[in-house]
Amino acid sequence: TQLLEQSPQFLSIQEGENLTVYCNSSSVFSSLQWYRQEPGEGPVLLVTVVTGGEVKKLKRLTFQFGDARKDSSLHITAAQPGDTGLYLCAGQYRGSQGNLIFGKGTKLSVKP
Amino acid sequence: DTAVSQTPKYLVTQMGNDKSIKCEQNLGHDTMYWYKQDSKKFLKIMFSYNNKELIINETVPNRFSPKSPDKAHLNLHINSLELGDSAVYFCASSQVHPSDTQYFGPGTRLTVL
Repeated sequence: TQLLEQSPQFLSIQEGENLTVYCNSSSVFSSLQWYRQEPGEGPVLLVTVVTGGEVKKLKRLTFQFGDARKDSSLHITAAQPGDTGLYLCAGQYRGSQGNLIFGKGTKLSVKP
Repeated sequence: DTAVSQTPKYLVTQMGNDKSIKCEQNLGHDTMYWYKQDSKKFLKIMFSYNNKELIINETVPNRFSPKSPDKAHLNLHINSLELGDSAVYFCASSQVHPSDTQYFGPGTRLTVL
């Protein structure tokens, strides 16, 4: 059983569309992070959320941490081809010995 | 300057061989990590290490061992390579805790034939 469920697994949209990626768990996370990974490179941190209900914005990206700290979402407004990549959520919970547990990722393709 | 570097970028080897992947960070971080990313892009922690403690993911076979000659380096040794070891291996580092921002290296694609 995957601790962090990410959906959708694949997403292909046109430039200018909006999208939301979800990260869900039955466990409570002390913190949750979103990463973006491009082909041939390592993941790069986008944001960390730690407080239930927290909302953070990074230009056209909006990140939300659920009130119960069991889920998170990433919303992209007016997607651009440069947003194409693999988006990964990762979190820490009591049983992870402090280590990050990753979701399986959402592969986003934005077509011009 | 590259913050976290790994060598080699690609590694192709035969089953049963022993190989090493090197990792160096120039960020002055205390903690380093090794992750494995499988063909479906699932990223899984293998080890986290600082100068005080090594935390091993219990699912990692003991054929895998991290070696840290100093704080800036954490190399990964793999003995008796198996087909299932084929994956991309990422090194990462963070200031102290895993909750601190982790900086990832570019990855090493290991192919076992």
